[in-house]
Amino acid sequence: DTEVTQTPKHLVMGMTNKKSLKCEQHMGHRAMYWYKQKAKKPPELMFVYSYEKLSINESVPSRFSPECPNSSLLNLHLHALQPEDSALYLCASSQRHGDIYEQYFGPGTRLTVT
Amino acid sequence: QKEVEQDPGPLSVPEGAIVSLNCTYSNSAFQYFMWYRQYSRKGPELLMYTYSSGNKEDGRFTAQVDKSSKYISLFIRDSQPSDSATYLCAIKAGGTSYGKLTFGQGTILTVHP
Repeated sequence: DTEVTQTPKHLVMGMTNKKSLKCEQHMGHRAMYWYKQKAKKPPELMFVYSYEKLSINESVPSRFSPECPNSSLLNLHLHALQPEDSALYLCASSQRHGDIYEQYFGPGTRLTVT
Repeated sequence: QKEVEQDPGPLSVPEGAIVSLNCTYSNSAFQYFMWYRQYSRKGPELLMYTYSSGNKEDGRFTAQVDKSSKYISLFIRDSQPSDSATYLCAIKAGGTSYGKLTFGQGTILTVHP
């Protein structure tokens, strides 16, 4: 099973709202990621958690707040977003065993900020 | 110069054709090479991953890596309309078990019946 699940599939929020995106994987991967993808562009890394600790923050604005409650779950808390934050938000998880490196993506949450 | 260059296409081929998708990269530290397929409004799906130079085959798909030329390819044999999607190459440096993937811009492929 190489499944990463994300909820909700779609989210519409106003600029004053607070909402959260959720991600879950049960592959035993110890690294989890948040990406942002705009139309016709590749995914853009936001955050990386390794062993439930934040390892990489790609200078993401503080209105995005990640959280890793345990090794299977990853949340992204959203507050005071701007219309330009509208995008597909992708969660991913990865593992490396010697020469093998695999990173699997979830289906994404399509976020619209009004 | 971008670290990974990928021809965005679009690429349009008839059903049954052999498709060749390519990326070049500049960083010799890159060690892990992946190809993703992304259908419209969906998340990227991992198709192939490779580490060393050479070929790796999985069904109709063959991934090829030439580290000396810093060139990677994905071949699709007997292409089908269901292969119509955006194909992204993604590369990772060695070292940590986690880390940033560097993506190509993606190639839009259409296979017409």
